[in-house]
Amino acid sequence: DVKVTQSSRYLVKRTGEKVFLECVQDMDHENMFWYRQDPGLGLRLIYFSYDVKMKEKGDIPEGYSVSREKKERFSLILESASTNQTSMYLCASSLSPGTVAKNIQYFGAGTRLSVL
Amino acid sequence: AQTVTQSQPEMSVQEAETVTLSCTYDTSENNYYLFWYKQPPSRQMILVIRQEAYKQQNATENRFSVNFQKAAKSFSLKISDSQLGDTAMYFCAPGGTSYGKLTFGQGTILTVHP
Repeated sequence: DVKVTQSSRYLVKRTGEKVFLECVQDMDHENMFWYRQDPGLGLRLIYFSYDVKMKEKGDIPEGYSVSREKKERFSLILESASTNQTSMYLCASSLSPGTVAKNIQYFGAGTRLSVL
Repeated sequence: AQTVTQSQPEMSVQEAETVTLSCTYDTSENNYYLFWYKQPPSRQMILVIRQEAYKQQNATENRFSVNFQKAAKSFSLKISDSQLGDTAMYFCAPGGTSYGKLTFGQGTILTVHP
């Protein structure tokens, strides 16, 4: 079974702090994704990565950055946390399109971040 | 770019009955896939069912089936013989072939009552 692990289930931070959210997958997937989930808005893509050191902006990248130094690990960074970044953050991974698995994304359990 | 609309924020159904969740989408891609994901109260998102847009036959997975109307850009999920464990938020998500990106709808909260 594919396993996507997010380092924290709950996190409380202060405004202005630098926040790191970590995600690790164990299935050698090429693609990794960071979403935020807010009531009534569904999941919105923040950033994704299709290879080590490669990243692309999603729909709402402002205020976030990412790092992918190793294939299995994808980090989301809030450079200076703000209260409007209080949300649920979900990490996902998938194989490249064109493979048998064809775009199926596997998700971590999520990190509930509160910025006070 | 893709847009997704799930017009039913909440639905409820009695155990053993059938329920249909609706989803409409818009896409400029010719080759794409459609997914329904389920997020139970414990929050781990899991895949329910997948449809490849070039296939005319509707996908089925045990009690779950879809009604895929490509021209109408509609992709509804039917759950037969509903069970208490089906209580969850359900997301519709079309995806193109570009890096496997998905676009998620707003979600439908389904509650199955005993």
